[in-house]
Amino acid sequence: EVLLQQSGAELVRPGSSVKISCKASGYTFTDFYLHWVKQRPEQGLVWIGRIHPANGDTVYTEKFKNKATLTADKSSNTAFMQLSSLTSEDSATYFCTRADWFAYWGQGTLVTVSS
Amino acid sequence: DVVMTQTPVSLSVSLGGQVSISCRSSQSLVHINGNTYLSWYLQKPGQSPQLLIYKVSNRFSGISDRFSGSGSGTDFTLKISRVEPDDLGVYYCGQGTQYPRTFGGGTKLELK
Repeated sequence: EVLLQQSGAELVRPGSSVKISCKASGYTFTDFYLHWVKQRPEQGLVWIGRIHPANGDTVYTEKFKNKATLTADKSSNTAFMQLSSLTSEDSATYFCTRADWFAYWGQGTLVTVSS
Repeated sequence: DVVMTQTPVSLSVSLGGQVSISCRSSQSLVHINGNTYLSWYLQKPGQSPQLLIYKVSNRFSGISDRFSGSGSGTDFTLKISRVEPDDLGVYYCGQGTQYPRTFGGGTKLELK
C-alpha cells in the first residue's frame, strides 16, 4: 500500500523558516516524482514544485522559487520542503503528493505563522 | 501558465440525481507524446484530495463507475450519476501536461 506520511503541525514566528517532511512507503521511492501543494483555508490548490528523488532534480513555480526548497533523502525515503522568510500569507496546509496524476496524497501539514 | 477555469463554482443536487462539472484550459492539454493529462479530484471536508479520473477519462482504482470524464483539447467534463452522500465536497480539475502544474478553482457539490 502506498503511503505518504507527513510531519505534524507547526506554529512558527514571522520571518523564520520551517522544514516539513513526507515519508514514503509501499513503493520504490526513486521511481516517482514527489510534488508539493499549498492550500489556504477555504481556498483552492496551488502547486509549489516537484522533486525527482533519484537525482534531486527540482522544478518550482515562479512564485515559490525564493520561498520553497525541496530536497529528498533516499536513505530514509523522505522528501522535505523548507519554507523561508515566513509571513502570514504562508499560513496554510501543505500536501505532498506522488506522481503520476497525484494519485496518492499525504495527510497534510498545517503551518501557522504567528507571533 | 495554463489557466484552468471550472464552472459552476457551486452546485446543488438531490440524492440520486446527476450533475456535470466543466473545466476549460487556456491552452491545449495535448502533450507532445499525444496524451492529454487532465485529472479530476474530490476533496471531502477535512481530508486530502483524492484522485477520481486521470488522462481525461480513466477511473482510478476503486472509483465508482458513477464517475465519468470526457473531453479533449481545452474542454473537459466530469459527470456524476446517482449522486450519493459520500460524493459531497469540492471537485478540482488539474493539468499535468505543462509546468507549472495548475488546478481549477474548484466546484462545491452540496445537497439540495
